[in-house]
Amino acid sequence: TQLLEQSPQFLSIQEGENLTVYCNSSSVFSSLQWYRQEPGEGPVLLVTVVTGGEVKKLKRLTFQFGDARKDSSLHITAAQTGDTGLYLCAGAGGTASKLTFGTGTRLQVTL
Amino acid sequence: EPEVTQTPSHQVTQMGQEVILRCVPISNHLYFYWYRQILGQKVEFLVSFYNNEISEKSEIFDDQFSVERPDGSNFTLKIRSTKLEDSAMYFCASSGSGFGNYGYTFGSGTRLTVV
Repeated sequence: TQLLEQSPQFLSIQEGENLTVYCNSSSVFSSLQWYRQEPGEGPVLLVTVVTGGEVKKLKRLTFQFGDARKDSSLHITAAQTGDTGLYLCAGAGGTASKLTFGTGTRLQVTL
Repeated sequence: EPEVTQTPSHQVTQMGQEVILRCVPISNHLYFYWYRQILGQKVEFLVSFYNNEISEKSEIFDDQFSVERPDGSNFTLKIRSTKLEDSAMYFCASSGSGFGNYGYTFGSGTRLTVV
């Protein structure tokens, strides 16, 4: 069974601070996806990383895929209140198309 | 931007009743999925569907569950005899590629409450 553990589970910071969310597994994934989920809504894709060591940037968000394709991180620079939400990582393994979701990190950014 | 549409948004049903959850995936996508999320828990994979057949299913997807693509646009999840523990948000998703290298588009979900 593939498991993805996210840390921290909860994070409360002030606007302007930087933060990093981690997504770790003992399993290798062919790709790692990051989603953001609002209450009562479905996950919305932020980014997909495919190659070990890959780094992708989306405005103030930086995503990295570990060299061994077992872990990933999401770094937010100068957080804003609009970044508040639940961040989920999800791994796709081999040729199987199902996603294994992480445990989630709930981020709250306050003024 | 193309959307995955799910109906109804909320369904309340009595234990033992059958429910059908409906989804309209993105029109040029070929791979379709159902996931569920019990309140406060992780999003869990239920089933994937490609070329009019199930490609993979989880242990959760037992004989009480079935999926169908009846008319080339809708994608349905049927629960034959609902149990209290089936109460959850059910998300439909679609993808243009089945290899996970591309993201999925999720619908807004159907909140199923079994009483």
